[in-house]
Amino acid sequence: QVHLVQSGAEVKKPGASVKVSCKVSGFTLNELSMHWVRQAPGKGLEWMGGFDSEEGKIIYAQKFKGRVTMTEDISTDTVYMDLRSLRSDDTAVYYCATQMGITTDWYFDVWGRGTLVTVSS
Amino acid sequence: QSVLTQPPSASATPGRRVTISCSGSGSNIGSNPVHWYQQFPGTAPKLLIFSSHRRPSGVPDRFSGSRSGTSASLAISGLQSEDEADYYCAAWDDSLHGHVFGSGTKVTVL
Repeated sequence: QVHLVQSGAEVKKPGASVKVSCKVSGFTLNELSMHWVRQAPGKGLEWMGGFDSEEGKIIYAQKFKGRVTMTEDISTDTVYMDLRSLRSDDTAVYYCATQMGITTDWYFDVWGRGTLVTVSS
Repeated sequence: QSVLTQPPSASATPGRRVTISCSGSGSNIGSNPVHWYQQFPGTAPKLLIFSSHRRPSGVPDRFSGSRSGTSASLAISGLQSEDEADYYCAAWDDSLHGHVFGSGTKVTVL
């Protein structure tokens, strides 16, 4: 059974960066493809990017390219999402999730509890 | 603005059936399977339906999914008060080369 534990809430000023972590247990990162999804207050879900097992690399949503970096630390089974040049509309709950499925038939099976990032001056 | 379009709300009385639509295009639903997530306020989404019509272990068979052309739907039969939640569809989009979500539908049990 996969279990995902995310880092705590953050408050950042506009223009700053935030790094959210997600520690995996129950499986090793080598066995999983991890993704990030965010949800602004009162809004819907938005995929940010993650490890595409078909391409063997991390892919990002066009909207976030150049501003987000997702990394993995295999030694600690932890994934990170680094978002730069924060704006007020980046205020959201950020979720990590495991990807299941193959080719383009993939979906998010297990989710972390979310990390609230608040961007405010 | 979401790539996949859902009605903002749906409702029915307990025991009835409610259906939620998800409208897309040829580059997403028209070419790829659809998945559905259930989300209660203040909690993480939960996978409800994958590969358009398959249910993960533990999901009641009251929930069913289908896909036809560039649209998909989620049906909840025998509606229960505990089904009151937000529901999101999702799919891979070939043109965007990314995963897209629907705008979400809030289901209310009257």
